Amino acid sequence: RKEVEQDPGPFNVPEGATVAFNCTYSNSASQSFFWYRQDCRKEPKLLMSVYSSGNEDGRFTAQLNRASQYISLLIRDSKLSDSATYLCVVNPGETSYDKVIFGPGTSLSVIP
Amino acid sequence: SAVISQKPSRDICQRGTSLTIQCQVDSQVTMMFWYRQQPGQSLTLIATANQGSEATYESGFVIDKFPISRPNLTFSTLTVSNMSPEDSSIYLCSVDSGVEQYFGPGTRLTVT
Repeated sequence: RKEVEQDPGPFNVPEGATVAFNCTYSNSASQSFFWYRQDCRKEPKLLMSVYSSGNEDGRFTAQLNRASQYISLLIRDSKLSDSATYLCVVNPGETSYDKVIFGPGTSLSVIP
Repeated sequence: SAVISQKPSRDICQRGTSLTIQCQVDSQVTMMFWYRQQPGQSLTLIATANQGSEATYESGFVIDKFPISRPNLTFSTLTVSNMSPEDSSIYLCSVDSGVEQYFGPGTRLTVT
């Protein structure tokens, strides 16, 4: 089993749709979790951290389920500019300097 | 935040040659990371570079193939040695701020 797995995608959704991405991780001791966004031919950039209680940032909601070792990202009212690859990132260690592990990414295309 | 620059941004090289990629950060950082992202794939960590010590390589990556220098707290180089077409990839350097990872814009390498 891979350390971090994501929905394979690609997801093609119309503007205004709600879309959810799932991510699972294998190391139950993992400490922190993130969603990164990578636009085509660009470097990854942090979209949001994922907190135990769940967190929301505008149209984006991240959830963490430690018991199931599962993370999700929900995007409401999709915009064309949301088209990108979304990377689930897990820090398995106790410090922020431990090596993070990137999931394979889920590609999203928002269609007019 | 951290601003990272990389040189070159892209290159086309012949097999058997070597290319050195430079990474410059606008602030002093303890650890710098080098990643590879092959076409259509997620990021794979090559090595972690600390100033004043040898880089720590991940499984599947060796110093002879990917020598790394870290002469000071703001700069690092990655050399891709004796290149083959399989080395065609995007190479990204990264730093960890303690909150998130910042990435350079990447070096797009094509080996012919």
